[in-house]
Amino acid sequence: AQSVAQPEDQVNVAEGNPLTVKCTYSVSGNPYLFWYVQYPNRGLQFLLKYITGDNLVKGSYGFEAEFNKSQTSFHLKKPSALVSDSALYFCAVRDMGTGRRALTFGSGTRLQVQP
Amino acid sequence: GAVVSQHPSWVICKSGTSVKIECRSLDFQATTMFWYRQFPKQSLMLMATSNEGSKATYEQGVEKDKFLINHASLTLSTLTVTSAHPEDSSFYICSAKTSGNQETQYFGPGTRLLVL
Repeated sequence: AQSVAQPEDQVNVAEGNPLTVKCTYSVSGNPYLFWYVQYPNRGLQFLLKYITGDNLVKGSYGFEAEFNKSQTSFHLKKPSALVSDSALYFCAVRDMGTGRRALTFGSGTRLQVQP
Repeated sequence: GAVVSQHPSWVICKSGTSVKIECRSLDFQATTMFWYRQFPKQSLMLMATSNEGSKATYEQGVEKDKFLINHASLTLSTLTVTSAHPEDSSFYICSAKTSGNQETQYFGPGTRLLVL
């Protein structure tokens, strides 16, 4: 069965510093990997995805993520954090080795960027 | 970019009544839509996969007679919470999947349901 782990409930970073939000996954086939961001009382906004190709994926708002097959990781990164980046971040995977079309989400990581 | 809307954004109802939530893909056609439920400070839990023109596929533990899903067109799926009870109070989020190999799920803004 597919699964996603986000080991950190919360990440704190100072504005202007680089940030990393961790994600590891487990699938039986090839993974489709996604990052979404959620602001309070709102739905999820798509940030970026990895389907195939370059391991480094660039997405919205200056975020990027690196697909690492050997470590089964897809960590989200940004070179310089903004206070407005403070939100809840979800990593998700779709296991292409199964017929399942739905995404499986991690537990979420709350990012707090201090001014 | 792809936009998904939900209506209503919030609803308060009395116990025993039914509530219908609409999910629309505004600028693309979605043969597949998904319904999720999110409890406070928790992740999204998939409830069901909604397929245009056919029956929805429910996740284990989700009562299909309780949560009725209709996907009548390529741009609209509805979730009806029948005979709602306080334990059904939650944040319900839908998503719609684009087609093709570069598929992405786009999410609606969510509907907060409070059952009194």
